[in-house]
Amino acid sequence: EVQLVESGGGLGQPGGSLRLSCAASGFTFSNYWMSWVRLAPGKGLEWVANIKQDGTEKFYVDSVKGRFTISRDSAKNSLYLQMNSLIVEDTAVYYCARSGDYSDFKYWGQGTLVTVSS
Amino acid sequence: QSVLTQPPSVSAAPGQKVTISCSGSSSNIGNNYVSWYQQLPGTAPKLLIYDYNKRPSGIPDRFSGSKSGTSATLGITGLQTGDEADYYCGTWDSRLRIYVFGTGTKVTVL
Repeated sequence: EVQLVESGGGLGQPGGSLRLSCAASGFTFSNYWMSWVRLAPGKGLEWVANIKQDGTEKFYVDSVKGRFTISRDSAKNSLYLQMNSLIVEDTAVYYCARSGDYSDFKYWGQGTLVTVSS
Repeated sequence: QSVLTQPPSVSAAPGQKVTISCSGSSSNIGNNYVSWYQQLPGTAPKLLIYDYNKRPSGIPDRFSGSKSGTSATLGITGLQTGDEADYYCGTWDSRLRIYVFGTGTKVTVL
């Protein structure tokens, strides 16, 4: 059974940092692109970033470029999102998701809440 | 501001049909795979449709997808109260080099 479990959310200060983790199991992690997606209060889904199987390609939405870094560790079957220079607008539930063959997201984690506030 | 436009809301009585449109461009819907997601409050999104008209196992055939040019449509027939949720289209944008979700549509069962 495919499982994705996020952790690391919580309260962050404006200008501060947080690191999210996503533990993957039930599939060969190194075979799949992985993504982070967020849902801000009262807003719609927003894709944040993705990373290729071997970590050599990464893409980001403009609103997080230069502040967030996506990474992965296949030895630990884990996906990460380093979030720096946090702003209030980063407040959201963050989901990790596995990319499918048709650029779809069939498997999602339960989400972890990030709140940016002073 | 999303590059994929959906109506903010649609509604119908139980048992009726609703359709949700998703309008994009040649750099996204026109030349890439389209997916549809259902998100119930407080839960992770659920994949309903991939490759514009295919259903993952376990998704009832009440849900259907289609595509024409740079637009895609999700149809829900036999509407049930459990279908009340937010629905999003999604696809890769080859020009922006990002994945884009639609603006989202809230389905209300009257």
